[in-house]
Amino acid sequence: KQEVTQIPAALSVPEGENLVLNCSFTDSAIYNLQWFRQDPGKGLTSLLLIQSSQREQTSGRLNASLDKSSGRSTLYIAASQPGDSATYLCAAPTGTASKLTFGTGTRLQVTL
Amino acid sequence: NAGVMQNPRHLVRRRGQEARLRCSPMKGHSHVYWYRQLPEEGLKFMVYLQKENIIDESGMPKERFSAEFPKEGPSILRIQQVVRGDSAAYFCASSISGWTDTQYFGPGTRLTVL
Repeated sequence: KQEVTQIPAALSVPEGENLVLNCSFTDSAIYNLQWFRQDPGKGLTSLLLIQSSQREQTSGRLNASLDKSSGRSTLYIAASQPGDSATYLCAAPTGTASKLTFGTGTRLQVTL
Repeated sequence: NAGVMQNPRHLVRRRGQEARLRCSPMKGHSHVYWYRQLPEEGLKFMVYLQKENIIDESGMPKERFSAEFPKEGPSILRIQQVVRGDSAAYFCASSISGWTDTQYFGPGTRLTVL
């Protein structure tokens, strides 16, 4: 059974700081890992998907890494902006199953 | 290219009524997933469907809940005889194929049971 944990649960940083969000998973036999953003009362926006054959994936100021052997993924946000304030979720599938197991998220607040 | 569409966005039902939630996947996507987010909890998988088939319903409550994805039309999540504990946000996601692909999420339906 896949279990996903995210640390920290909440984070507040001043604008312009670089930050790292952590995600760990128990079943390392995954084919990919996905990072999402969720704004209050809204749906999920897919940010990055890392295939198991990749170690990193980048999109703009976001960089996600994946280390299957240690069961960890990180999401790096460079030069944070107030608009980055949201809850960030990581999700991993269970083996070859398509269903995603989600972490409980990191609630990020970027202050002016 | 329209994203995943869900309707209604908000649904209020009294205890004992039926709730029907609809999901139209992105164009070209034939795989649909339903997740539920209870208040102050994370998202939990409910069911995975392809056209006319239920592939994995391991997250569905055994009673009162059902899902379908017909050959034509949207996917439907049906909750019969709703109870207060069913109040949650229900999200639908779709993908082009199965487990190697990005899942794209809809805006969700927020169900409130009075």
